[in-house]
Amino acid sequence: SQKIEQNSEALNIQEGKTATLTCNYTNYSPAYLQWYRQDPGRGPVFLLLIRENEKEKRKERLKVTFDTTLKQSLFHITASQPADSATYLCALALSSNTGKLIFGQGTTLQVKP
Amino acid sequence: DVKVTQSSRYLVKRTGEKVFLECVQDMDHENMFWYRQDPGLGLRLIYFSYDVKMKEKGDIPEGYSVSREKKERFSLILESASTNQTSMYLCASSSGVTHETQYFGPGTRLLVL
Repeated sequence: SQKIEQNSEALNIQEGKTATLTCNYTNYSPAYLQWYRQDPGRGPVFLLLIRENEKEKRKERLKVTFDTTLKQSLFHITASQPADSATYLCALALSSNTGKLIFGQGTTLQVKP
Repeated sequence: DVKVTQSSRYLVKRTGEKVFLECVQDMDHENMFWYRQDPGLGLRLIYFSYDVKMKEKGDIPEGYSVSREKKERFSLILESASTNQTSMYLCASSSGVTHETQYFGPGTRLLVL
């Protein structure tokens, strides 16, 4: 069966450390993968997109890797801050011409001062 | 900035009522989506639309219908609300050109009694 899995347990880290969140999928062949941030009571906000032929993408303190052999994406936040505390969602796009996304259930990150 | 607005942040309805959730986007996006979000289940796609008067079923369309009479507006209709439709409902839009980033509204938290 097709699945997207993110760690359902909350990730608690100390301020200044690097947070690493995982997104694993099975039986999909995504054209690209996205990461979104969601704060409580709000809609998700787009952060980064990485295509199937890209290994790594960076934006400021954020880094995403995409391993289509392992069927896994890692999302890193370096020098984490309490303001980074939120739920992070990964989303797969199965083709590049429909815009339809399949979301993971999200991982909650808590950065402690 | 892209803005996606939803008609209500909170809504309380009774079982059997007909419920309308409205979504408006101001970026001339072709694609619009309705999701529901439940704890542990993540975002699940109810319906989406690629163009005016076009609609396609998502993963969980049962009990819902949609309407897109104008490009900027996408309505979700619960024909006869039931308690298992208590959820957070999120609307999103994306460009038909890039298809990539989805822009979300703030969400409507619906309680069906």
